[in-house]
Amino acid sequence: LAKTTQPISMDSYEGQEVNITCSHNNIATNDYITWYQQFPSQGPRFIIQGYKTKVTNEVASLFIPADRKSSTLSLPRVSLSDTAVYYCLVGDNRAGANNLFFGTGTRLTVIP
Amino acid sequence: KAGVTQTPRYLIKTRGQQVTLSCSPISGHRSVSWYQQTPGQGLQFLFEYFSETQRNKGNFPGRFSGRQFSNSRSEMNVSTLELGDSALYLCASSFARNNEQFFGPGTRLTVL
Repeated sequence: LAKTTQPISMDSYEGQEVNITCSHNNIATNDYITWYQQFPSQGPRFIIQGYKTKVTNEVASLFIPADRKSSTLSLPRVSLSDTAVYYCLVGDNRAGANNLFFGTGTRLTVIP
Repeated sequence: KAGVTQTPRYLIKTRGQQVTLSCSPISGHRSVSWYQQTPGQGLQFLFEYFSETQRNKGNFPGRFSGRQFSNSRSEMNVSTLELGDSALYLCASSFARNNEQFFGPGTRLTVL
């Protein structure tokens, strides 16, 4: 099985920029990299999606190197409400069935 | 527009029974994916349906099955329940496979 790995947890102070990385060595050629945010007792919520290079929206930026074997979610100036678990989602070309793999999740805690 | 809805929200079953979970996607979305979330294994992809056809399947035993109807609503069925099937089952819909997925609140299944 392909492995999609992320740091288990991160702490940050309010107002700081947070960068969360995801390693996905076997990403499928045609698959995108998507990041989700999940609060307790809720389904994941879309943050940002990209294929290569850099993507930016009103809440985050996504950096993807040329080999696409990793990606970095960047959250500018985090607030207490950003405390959540963050997941990356990519496809796995080795599985053959184009399975979708979530990362292990990174629990971000924002400290006042 | 209305979000993804899942029914029931909570379910308690005993070992050996079977269960059917339902998911209504966002209007116009034709892709429906199912995920299992547990504390130990995290978010795992079960299967994806598009236009009533199963397009992708994760690494779950045949006890897990699903279907999609012509109105894009989807059901998943788990037969011969085991204790390890206790989990939050999430449904997500999207317009196309690599589009942003919108998740429902999930069905929390407890197997006793």
